[in-house]
Amino acid sequence: AQKVTQAQTEISVVEKEDVTLDCVYETRDTTYYLFWYKQPPSGELVFLIRRNSFDEQNEISGRYSWNFQKSTSSFNFTITASQVVDSAVYFCALRPFDDYKLSFGAGTTVTVRA
Amino acid sequence: DGGITQSPKYLFRKEGQNVTLSCEQNLNHDAMYWYRQDPGQGLRLIYYSQIVNDFQKGDIAEGYSVSREKKESFPLTVTSAQKNPTAFYLCASSVGATNTEAFFGQGTRLTVV
Repeated sequence: AQKVTQAQTEISVVEKEDVTLDCVYETRDTTYYLFWYKQPPSGELVFLIRRNSFDEQNEISGRYSWNFQKSTSSFNFTITASQVVDSAVYFCALRPFDDYKLSFGAGTTVTVRA
Repeated sequence: DGGITQSPKYLFRKEGQNVTLSCEQNLNHDAMYWYRQDPGQGLRLIYYSQIVNDFQKGDIAEGYSVSREKKESFPLTVTSAQKNPTAFYLCASSVGATNTEAFFGQGTRLTVV
């Protein structure tokens, strides 16, 4: 069984503040993939990042950064210097290496106020 | 353009009627998925298919049925057995091999009255 938990339901920040989204997962698999997706108001999910379980290197892409810690089963996502366009629902997801079952967390709604 | 097409965008049906949601992809992806999204519950997996003529139940398959007769198509039928069918439905596909992300359609909002 696998489970993804995003404990933060909603986060509201003022523009230029940093915001960190938590993601904790459970899986019996030793190898797996973790993902983050963004869902803007239009509804379509947009892929942000994929991380393999055997690669714990953190990653930065522009204002986005991700912190993967296998020891605590966490894959947190930080938006630095947030902008109004970052307002969206963000989902964390997990997929086992040898299965196509892709499971999502409940999502975190981020609102960035001008 | 390559992508995933869900139709229609909005769908209204009377209670007790079966309804089929369309999902077509021209990305030559092997795997396809159906998710249901309700406020506060994230995306819940209904069914997924790894290859033509094969599919597996997800976490909330009761009241739904699917078919995968063609690689590019994965229609979802919401049957009258589904107790609370009003929701936003998202279809996705992925190459199927490991180490790949899923791509999503724009969704169908189903309202049962």
